[in-house]
Amino acid sequence: EAGVVQSPRYKIIEKKQPVAFWCNPISGHNTLYWYRQNLGQGPELLIRYENEEAVDDSQLPKDRFSAERLKGVDSTLKIQPAELGDSAVYLCASSSFDRSAYNEQFFGPGTRLTVL
Amino acid sequence: GQQVMQIPQYQHVQEGEDFTTYCNSSTTLSNIQWYKQRPGGHPVFLIQLVKSGEVKKQKRLTFQFGEAKKNSSLHITATQTTDVGTYFCAGRGSGNTGKLIFGQGTTLQVKP
Repeated sequence: EAGVVQSPRYKIIEKKQPVAFWCNPISGHNTLYWYRQNLGQGPELLIRYENEEAVDDSQLPKDRFSAERLKGVDSTLKIQPAELGDSAVYLCASSSFDRSAYNEQFFGPGTRLTVL
Repeated sequence: GQQVMQIPQYQHVQEGEDFTTYCNSSTTLSNIQWYKQRPGGHPVFLIQLVKSGEVKKQKRLTFQFGEAKKNSSLHITATQTTDVGTYFCAGRGSGNTGKLIFGQGTTLQVKP
């Protein structure tokens, strides 16, 4: 069974440019997460989807970040315009979320973003 | 808001020595998960603890959840070079809708 797929793996852009990341979760996983991981830190949740609904986007900087999961399967995270401080690894994770039993999250390999 | 702190930030041990990392939450947790991230890799789930005072073992790894459900620990007996990586705890607060708060991690280096 394929794991969580993310692309691209690496991205280098200049500040003020737009950038987009793509994630395909494990088949059948209804919950999808986008995290940002800064160097030497733990992952920080940006947004969580249950199917196509964003149920927690409180940590998403909405002035420049946007995300979508139109059909409840794959998802795209966009930054426009990018700032120097956005340099980080962007991780996507998925789980078979059940409100009665919180399940483990499966992480993708991440996209390492460098903003120059 | 809820915070999860881990200590130490780094630990260097000789192969065969034991290792422990501690996780403390500012609020009572409904459960806690542990993840391992190898250098250059992504976090991989290790275990979830739910009950107060729970202890779980995976070979040389022992996980504990405190009685007050505000702290947890991971102990590795007789470390091996394959244990190298960063260990994260991630706590889920009581009454929330499933958001995990990750600690900053403990990075373990093992000298052969």
